[in-house]
Amino acid sequence: AQSVTQLDSHVSVSEGTPVLLRCNYSSSYSPSLFWYVQHPNKGLQLLLKYTSAATLVKGINGFEAEFKKSETSFHLTKPSAHMSDAAEYFCVVSEPSSASKIIFGSGTRLSIRP
Amino acid sequence: GAVVSQHPSWVICKSGTSVKIECRSLDFQATTMFWYRQFPKQSLMLMATSNEGSKATYEQGVEKDKFLINHASLTLSTLTVTSAHPEDSSFYICSARDLAGADFDEQYFGPGTRLTVT
Repeated sequence: AQSVTQLDSHVSVSEGTPVLLRCNYSSSYSPSLFWYVQHPNKGLQLLLKYTSAATLVKGINGFEAEFKKSETSFHLTKPSAHMSDAAEYFCVVSEPSSASKIIFGSGTRLSIRP
Repeated sequence: GAVVSQHPSWVICKSGTSVKIECRSLDFQATTMFWYRQFPKQSLMLMATSNEGSKATYEQGVEKDKFLINHASLTLSTLTVTSAHPEDSSFYICSARDLAGADFDEQYFGPGTRLTVT
C-alpha cells in the first residue's frame, strides 16, 4: 500500500531565505511523486513531478525536489522564498498503474514573513 | 497542456435542494475522472472514481445515493449532491487522467467548486 507523510503542517520563513518542505512516502512499487501548490480558494497547480528519470527534479517558480530512495523522501526546496510563494503545498504519490488512485499528503502551509 | 474545467466555480443553494457540478476535460479524453472533497485547511479526500460508461467506484464512507456521479462521455463527468445539507458545504475538486498521454499517471485538476448550503 502506498502512503505519503508531510512532516510539517506549517512552515514559516522570511522572504529571501530558503524553503524546505518535507515529504516521506511509502510504496510497494516504483512510485511517481508530485508536488502541487494550492493558493486560497483555488485549484491545484502542478509544481513538479518525479517519474523514475532524474532524481533531482526542477519545477516551476524556482522549486525543485530530490527523490531519495534510500530515505524514501521527496523534499521540496527553493533557494529564496518570495511573498507569492505563500500557499498550501501537497505531496502526492501515485503507483504506476492505470487503475491506481493517487494519495495526497496532509499538506504544508507555507507562510512568508516580510 | 491538459486542461480540466469545472462549472460552476461557486454555488449557493438551500437545504434540501440538489446541485450538479460539471467536470470537463477540454483537450483530451478522460476515461477516468476523480472527485475530491476538501474541507477548510485540510487535504483533499477522494470521494469516488468515475469511469466512462460504467458505475462510479465510491470510497468507504461516501454515500453513493447522496453523491450521484455520471460519466456519460469521455470529456464530461458530473457530481450531483442530492438533498444538500449545510454539512455538505465544501470545496469539490475533480481531476482527470489522460490515458493516451505520455504521463498517464498524472492527474489534471479542475479549479474547484465552492458549494455553500444555507
